[in-house]
Amino acid sequence: NAGVMQNPRHLVRRRGQEARLRCSPMKGHSHVYWYRQLPEEGLKFMVYLQKENIIDESGMPKERFSAEFPKEGPSILRIQQVVRGDSAAYFCASSLGPGTGDEQFFGPGTRLTVL
Amino acid sequence: GQNIDQPTEMTATEGAIVQINCTYQTSGFNGLFWYQQHAGEAPTFLSYNVLDGLEEKGRFSSFLSRSKGYSYLLLKELQMKDSASYLCAVRDIANDYKLSFGAGTTVTVRA
Repeated sequence: NAGVMQNPRHLVRRRGQEARLRCSPMKGHSHVYWYRQLPEEGLKFMVYLQKENIIDESGMPKERFSAEFPKEGPSILRIQQVVRGDSAAYFCASSLGPGTGDEQFFGPGTRLTVL
Repeated sequence: GQNIDQPTEMTATEGAIVQINCTYQTSGFNGLFWYQQHAGEAPTFLSYNVLDGLEEKGRFSSFLSRSKGYSYLLLKELQMKDSASYLCAVRDIANDYKLSFGAGTTVTVRA
């Protein structure tokens, strides 16, 4: 039973380019969460999606960042016109659904470096 | 939002016990999680507490006091492989899907 998959594991972009991060949830999970982790800091919530719906994007910057979770295929976190401050580890998690005891399973993360 | 505090670093000897404290402030508590994260890897789930008391899982135990806004993770019989970052995360009743994480405690186990 494969866990949460993320790709690429490492991504290098130059300022102004676009970054696309992919996340395939665990089998049977339809709830996906994206977190960002800056060096020496904790994981920060960005966005919560269910299939084809964005439920909460309160932690995601209003500009340049977008997320989707289409009916078919992985969830995508897209960062347009990247800047150096976007360099971080981006983690995706999935779960069966919110509720007491609902555990979020994390993927290995994508480490984005902006040159 | 939540304010979650935990020590930055701790060092202990192989075979010893280490206790990692976590304090939090939230308007509507709905569960506390502990995750382990090795460098460059995904956080992995260790424990979940929603009621007061101690939850034991092998060498790891987690305690919660809701009235004090306090939890600890206890690691017994430390092994070298326990060297990792330990993340305390709190869930709020208003947004029961969103985990708010502390900055993590880096535990170093020495021989």
